[in-house]
Amino acid sequence: EVRLVESGGGLVQPGGSLRLSCAASGFIVNGHYTTWVRQAPGKGLECISVMSTNGARVYYAESVRGRFDISRDDSKNMLYLQMNSLRVDDTAIYYCARGFADSGLNWGQGALVVVSS
Amino acid sequence: EVVLTQSPGTLSLSPGDRATVSCRASQSVSSTNLAWYQQKTGRAPRLLIYGASTRATGIPDRVSGSGSGTDFTLTINRLEPEDFAVYYCQHYDSSVPRYTFGQGTKVEIK
Repeated sequence: EVRLVESGGGLVQPGGSLRLSCAASGFIVNGHYTTWVRQAPGKGLECISVMSTNGARVYYAESVRGRFDISRDDSKNMLYLQMNSLRVDDTAIYYCARGFADSGLNWGQGALVVVSS
Repeated sequence: EVVLTQSPGTLSLSPGDRATVSCRASQSVSSTNLAWYQQKTGRAPRLLIYGASTRATGIPDRVSGSGSGTDFTLTINRLEPEDFAVYYCQHYDSSVPRYTFGQGTKVEIK
């Protein structure tokens, strides 16, 4: 069974940093495209970062480019999102997800990040 | 960048009705790269359809997807209480790579 479990969310002050982790099971992370998608309160879904199977291709949305960094530890089958210079408008639920079949995504349960002073 | 526009924004229906949600792409896209999701309040999105028309595991056959080019449709026949939720279409652009979502359609009880 494919499973993704996010951790590391919480309350952080503007300008602070946070690292989200995503533990994957039931599949090998370096065999699939993996992505982080966020959802601000009451809003829609925004794909903020994608990593290819070999890690050579990485995408960042303009809203997070230069502040967020996606990475992966193949030995632990883990996906990470390092978030720096956090802003109030980064407040959201952050989901990690696995891509398959050129369109579908399997999702984790999400981690809440609140940026507030 | 492909922009996905869903309509309507809200659909007010009764159990037993048919829900039809439209997703229009700003440019022609491959059906292979089009998916649909259901999201209930407080829950992660759930994959319903991928490749525009292939049901994900465990999705009943009263849920169907169709379309090609720029126009795609999600149809849910015989609405059941658990179907009242928000639905999103999504496109995968392999050249970037990037996933793009429509703004969502809320199917609510009339």
